Amino acid sequence: QKEVEQDPGPLSVPEGAIVSLNCTYSNSAFQYFMWYRQYSRKGPELLMYTYSSGNKEDGRFTAQVDKSSKYISLFIRDSQPSDSATYLCALQGGSEKLVFGKGTKLTVNP
Amino acid sequence: ETGVTQSPTHLIKTRGQQVTLRCSSQSGHNTVSWYQQALGQGPQFIFQYYREEENGRGNFPPRFSGLQFPNYSSELNVNALELDDSALYLCATKLGPSGSAGETQYFGPGTRLLVL
Repeated sequence: QKEVEQDPGPLSVPEGAIVSLNCTYSNSAFQYFMWYRQYSRKGPELLMYTYSSGNKEDGRFTAQVDKSSKYISLFIRDSQPSDSATYLCALQGGSEKLVFGKGTKLTVNP
Repeated sequence: ETGVTQSPTHLIKTRGQQVTLRCSSQSGHNTVSWYQQALGQGPQFIFQYYREEENGRGNFPPRFSGLQFPNYSSELNVNALELDDSALYLCATKLGPSGSAGETQYFGPGTRLLVL
């Protein structure tokens, strides 16, 4: 069983839709939960970061963590064509390394 | 922009050759990690350097090695290249001592390596 599972998609939605992206994980030692956005041929950029169960909101983005179910989500409201990218969940335990999901490729159609 | 730069942007090598990739970080970012991202996959942790010493390594063979310099810039060296080494190589830097898990890491744009 992989440490982090993420549906690779691809996911295609119309502009203005609500997007839900998800990851599940198996290791209870993960304490920090991140979502990165990666545009084509670019490095990942940090979107959201949280270390506790519950919701964290930043503009159109909401990150949700459920440690009891080992399930994390990213919601994008009022999606825009500029949101078209690959979204990567990343988890971190007590060590330095980030453990990434495979990434979900999102396309928002105008 | 994250302030992290990598060179070269693209590289083509043949099997058996050696390659050196470079990373420069923002001022004061004394911890650097290297990741390999194969096509369609998430980044995989190779290793981390803090104050010029390796501090943590992922599941990569010894032909993957690195250096960190006093100015905190870093190199990733790969010997005896194999076809499966074709990937995007990313470095990520952060400000803070080793062991400070949870602090934000900033990624560079990556070097795309193709091994023929």
